[in-house]
Amino acid sequence: EPEVTQTPSHQVTQMGQEVILRCVPISNHLYFYWYRQILGQKVEFLVSFYNNEISEKSEIFDDQFSVERPDGSNFTLKIRSTKLEDSAMYFCASSEALRASGEADTQYFGPGTRLTVL
Amino acid sequence: QKEVEQNSGPLSVPEGAIASLNCTYSDRGSQSFFWYRQYSGKSPELIMFIYSNGDKEDGRFTAQLNKASQYVSLLIRDSQPSDSATYLCAVKGPEGKLIFGQGTELSVKP
Repeated sequence: EPEVTQTPSHQVTQMGQEVILRCVPISNHLYFYWYRQILGQKVEFLVSFYNNEISEKSEIFDDQFSVERPDGSNFTLKIRSTKLEDSAMYFCASSEALRASGEADTQYFGPGTRLTVL
Repeated sequence: QKEVEQNSGPLSVPEGAIASLNCTYSDRGSQSFFWYRQYSGKSPELIMFIYSNGDKEDGRFTAQLNKASQYVSLLIRDSQPSDSATYLCAVKGPEGKLIFGQGTELSVKP
């Protein structure tokens, strides 16, 4: 069964350093998302991406964050200068469609990258 | 601010019982609703989606939607210890993002 994959599974970095989190969405999916979950808190939306453009972003997704689809398979989240409060699990998700009334717009999540900022 | 509310629990049920998980949402225009299961330290795993008022059954799981009351629920029949996890209710926003509730922690005791 196709699945979303993410690398690395755990990233430890020093405050102020840049990190790139990588995702490979399900191959026939067109819509890509990043979410994060701070320990003990709810899953929060960061950004959605379609057709090589950001579709929607949250207030969390400020100028320190960027997303890119550098080739036909990878989808990346870059944090330019990490802060302590960026420590969280980061989940990539993908869906086949955006608005539908069936399986097609269901978002499937990758296993996550645990980011620890020291 | 569009909100999704769930009781955080923990909800404890004996093995074999029915577990009932509830969720309310604030945006009356919401159309798509999802239940995910999340084991500790893992990612959300889809259980069910529901779009229409009424019940939708899939094996031991039944999702119920009442748009007039802005209420979604998940029933788990014949609960098993392996069902012990946090259950996340999610509502799709107009531009496609998922808005999650805090999650309800379910503990099924053998």
